[in-house]
Parts: sequence; C-alpha cells; structure tokens
Amino acid sequence: NAGVTQTPKFQVLKTGQSMTLQCAQDMNHEYMSWYRQDPGMGLRLIHYSVGAGITDQGEVPNGYNVSRSTTEDFPLRLLSAAPSQTSVYFCASRSGHPPEQYFGPGTRLTVT
Amino acid sequence: AQTVTQSQPEMSVQEAETVTLSCTYDTSESDYYLFWYKQPPSRQMILVIRQEAYKQQNATENRFSVNFQKAAKSFSLKISDSQLGDAAMYFCAYRSARDDKIIFGKGTRLHILP
Repeated sequence: NAGVTQTPKFQVLKTGQSMTLQCAQDMNHEYMSWYRQDPGMGLRLIHYSVGAGITDQGEVPNGYNVSRSTTEDFPLRLLSAAPSQTSVYFCASRSGHPPEQYFGPGTRLTVT
Repeated sequence: AQTVTQSQPEMSVQEAETVTLSCTYDTSESDYYLFWYKQPPSRQMILVIRQEAYKQQNATENRFSVNFQKAAKSFSLKISDSQLGDAAMYFCAYRSARDDKIIFGKGTRLHILP
C-alpha cells in the first residue's frame, strides 16, 4: 500500500491563480480530511468527508472547495489564491476503526 | 467548543533520560479519542499513541506511555530512554467520537541532548 499520497510536494502561485491539490489513498478508508499547518500552530481542519459524495466544512473552510466523487480521491481546490493561504497542507484518511488518521507527506504552498 | 492546550513550546532532555510532555483539553463530551503525533523535520505526521476515553488503563507503546486523567482533562506523554531520533515536534490532538473533526494543540518542540 502506498498509503496517503499528495501531489505536488511544493507549489508557488501568484495571487489570484487557482489550483488543485491532489490527495489519494489506497486503503479503502471512508473518512478523508484536509488540514493546513501554519508556523507556531497545530494543524487546522479545512474540509472533511465521511464518504463518497459527502463533504463538510471544518474550522477554516473559506477560500477552499472540495469534492469526493470516489472513495480514493479527495482533491482540494483553491479558487483564487491569496497570500494568507501560504501554508503546508496535509491530507489524511482513516477507517472506522482504529480511530486515528493517517497523514500524507504534505504540500508546501507559497502564494506571492 | 473543544480546545487542546500544550503549555510547553519547547523542551530539552538528555539522551537516555525520561521526559514528560503536557497536554490539557476542554470538552463537554464523554466519548472521545486522544492522540499524540510526532512531526520530525521531514514534516511527516506520525502517530505515536492513542487513548480511548472510555478506557481507564493508560496506553503504552514501547518507550512511550500516557498519563490520562479524564476528570482533570489531562493527557501527558512520557518518553522513556530518550533517543536522538525522538527529536521532533509533538502534537496532542482530540477527536470526538461523534464526528471527524480533530483539534490539535500548538505543539511542543522536543530537543534531545547527546
């Protein structure tokens, strides 16, 4: 199993550009989530999904869209990038049990 | 709203010694999970240990153990026989059994002194 994979590893955007961060898992996990990590802070939840076709907002959803058309994939879309979205983004997944999440390697995004 | 607090931004410990990282949380729920995650310089988030709130027994994983005090809402991590590879950022995290929203603390950076 590859686990949770994220692409790209690094990305630089200009303000106003759009892009999609890719996340895939091959463990047949129902639950998937997106987090952002900023310096001096823990991870904060952006959006999450409890299954294909079902998504919900987390703590910091503004400026981001998600969809879950398959169990395996959970892409995160930045509609119009802003410097405040400069961060490291983590995707995670889990099954019903055990309760912990498995994280991807992260994407470092810089918006200039 | 639930909160997780890690009051020690940084800690240092001598190699082979024992260190305890503190974590407190606030919740009105009775059924939840607590986790400690390790983030080395590679930035990969690695699960260290988990505790189910309904279990009274403290979780243990090799050199890592927790002191779970449900009434005090405290969840500390003890690392025994510290090794250089333990140097990392450690995050305490809470998840309600009702949903998938994980709340993370701000982390404790652990330095291991040779």
